[in-house]
Amino acid sequence: GAVVSQHPSRVICKSGTSVKIECRSLDFQATTMFWYRQFPKQSLMLMATSNEGSKATYEQGVEKDKFLINHASLTLSTLTVTSAHPEDSSFYICSAPEGSGTQYFGPGTRLTVL
Amino acid sequence: AQRVTQPEKLLSVFKGAPVELKCNYSYSGSPELFWYVQYSRQRLQLLLRHISRESIKGFTADLNKGETSFHLKKPFAQEEDSAMYYCALRAGGYNKLIFGAGTRLAVHP
Repeated sequence: GAVVSQHPSRVICKSGTSVKIECRSLDFQATTMFWYRQFPKQSLMLMATSNEGSKATYEQGVEKDKFLINHASLTLSTLTVTSAHPEDSSFYICSAPEGSGTQYFGPGTRLTVL
Repeated sequence: AQRVTQPEKLLSVFKGAPVELKCNYSYSGSPELFWYVQYSRQRLQLLLRHISRESIKGFTADLNKGETSFHLKKPFAQEEDSAMYYCALRAGGYNKLIFGAGTRLAVHP
């Protein structure tokens, strides 16, 4: 089946720094990718839709200047958490729909902001 | 508003018992419903989708538009079924998914 990878799997950073998370579709192309945030023992919350060649679409309540999304190619989307604070600590997951419409999820990135 | 409700946070059963994980949705259009599963330390993966009308790992789910439900059922639970189960709604022609809160299924020997 299709595979989506994320890098890094885990990152720890200091408050005020920026962190970039990559999401790649390994064996298929994706014009859209999705970024989710998952708090401990809670469900996935859709943050934004990453669109190849155009601006990302953010869900209500998600700060676009805080969470910068760039869909550089048909296989890569990046999420940059700018000026990170401890409350940004979370598990970030990306997904990409493959040709049939089935969404494939990355393994997630655990961000810890000190 | 688009919403998916999974009323049970935890469902605990013994091996061999029947299982039903509840899912209700709110959507004014024609929905597409999915069940995703997340085993311990693994990524989220698709279990089944309503348009396929298939049985995966013994699980089935029927879309009931009258009751706006898409409950997941299995007649005889196995220990390896223990996992987090998420019901998800895809609204209209968009690929984005709206997830329910999830239900943890614990199957005891």
